[in-house]
Amino acid sequence: AQKITQTQPGMFVQEKEAVTLDCTYDTSDQSYGLFWYKQPSSGEMIFLIYQGSYDEQNATEGRYSLNFQKARKSANLVISASQLGDSAMYFCAMREALHLIQGAQKLVFGQGTRLTINP
Amino acid sequence: DTEVTQTPKHLVMGMTNKKSLKCEQHMGHRAMYWYKQKAKKPPELMFVYSYEKLSINESVPSRFSPECPNSSLLNLHLHALQPEDSALYLCASSQILQGGFSKPQHFGDGTRLSIL
Repeated sequence: AQKITQTQPGMFVQEKEAVTLDCTYDTSDQSYGLFWYKQPSSGEMIFLIYQGSYDEQNATEGRYSLNFQKARKSANLVISASQLGDSAMYFCAMREALHLIQGAQKLVFGQGTRLTINP
Repeated sequence: DTEVTQTPKHLVMGMTNKKSLKCEQHMGHRAMYWYKQKAKKPPELMFVYSYEKLSINESVPSRFSPECPNSSLLNLHLHALQPEDSALYLCASSQILQGGFSKPQHFGDGTRLSIL
């Protein structure tokens, strides 16, 4: 079964610094997808970035980039120039290929990392 | 503002009440999902609908009853809930694609449910 591990329960970073949130995964599938979501205290889950297992380049979306190291089975999220609004819970998730039933997807989530940006 | 709308935002109900949570999206997504999230925990998948048909039920107790009346709406009917069912309930939707390519799930703001 697939598993996502986020080893940092909490992180504190100064504003404008870059921050790396760790994510390692375990799967025997050759085809899989990795997602990062942000969840502010309001509750909404906000999609940030996606990396496919066959993508040759690391994904980037604005200030977010994904450091994908397939051999190490890691998919760390890098946030450049952090802002106060980045304070939130961050979840790494993986799409289970076996559950791509009729095109729908089952996501397996890590336990999350609570990021706090200090002014 | 999210493109997935959930109502109500907050709900307090007794254990004998019957209530419903509603979710609506107009992005043309044909997969819709219900998740349960306890405090400081990741979301747990409850149900998945594909083309308005239930495709995944993660062994959820029968006091939770999902319904997908059309491609834009998803309901979760609640009856005789227990205090441990108090949680944030999230709805999500996604495109349906073939060939294993993934599009992200879009989530609503959630309904915070408290069972007295």
